[in-house]
Amino acid sequence: EAQVTQNPRYLITVTGKKLTVTCSQNMNHEYMSWYRQDPGLGLRQIYYSMNVEVTDKGDVPEGYKVSRKEKRNFPLILESPSPNQTSLYFCASSPGTGTTGANVLTFGAGSRLTVL
Amino acid sequence: GEDVEQSLFLSVREGDSSVINCTYTDSSSTYLYWYKQEPGAGLQLLTYIFSNMDMKQDQRLTVLLNKKDKHLSLRIADTQTGDSAIYFCAESLQAAGNKLTFGGGTRVLVKP
Repeated sequence: EAQVTQNPRYLITVTGKKLTVTCSQNMNHEYMSWYRQDPGLGLRQIYYSMNVEVTDKGDVPEGYKVSRKEKRNFPLILESPSPNQTSLYFCASSPGTGTTGANVLTFGAGSRLTVL
Repeated sequence: GEDVEQSLFLSVREGDSSVINCTYTDSSSTYLYWYKQEPGAGLQLLTYIFSNMDMKQDQRLTVLLNKKDKHLSLRIADTQTGDSAIYFCAESLQAAGNKLTFGGGTRVLVKP
């Protein structure tokens, strides 16, 4: 089944304890992205990657790191989490814009992170 | 700059039509999208429309785009209880690497 898999789905941690949220897709997609969802704010892009070894900042990159060493994986790293990073995180991927020009994203199920 | 806005909440009776509205500010938007988020799940693409189109219909869904007013709407005909969800509109800009900018989401509650 074509999908985007995120882990963990739920995590409670404490301020300053490094954590990684993994994201993997099995669709050979070139484009991958991380979003955070907060009530009333919709989804805001954290980082995105157009291809292997190519990453770029989104709208809210502060406090986050990413890497894209392989096409299928795009982990989100919080080096020193703080309470304002408590949120619902989504990883998404797409084939890129291809021939249609539309960037059609497939989303993971989400990772709910609480930082105490 | 990019800004996408939606109303927060819509209540509708089962069997009626729902209309969810969205406004955006960037006139150079290339594509506009509607995504659906059910409780505890990620977003699923419902449909998208190219910015030079006025309308797109797909079964119970009708998308209307008024480019002059920068207004996008999603009409759901014969709304069912399974349509209860949060609906997000989004725009992508070719000039910005086709990044999607999302609105805040409209929570639709379908009452029996």
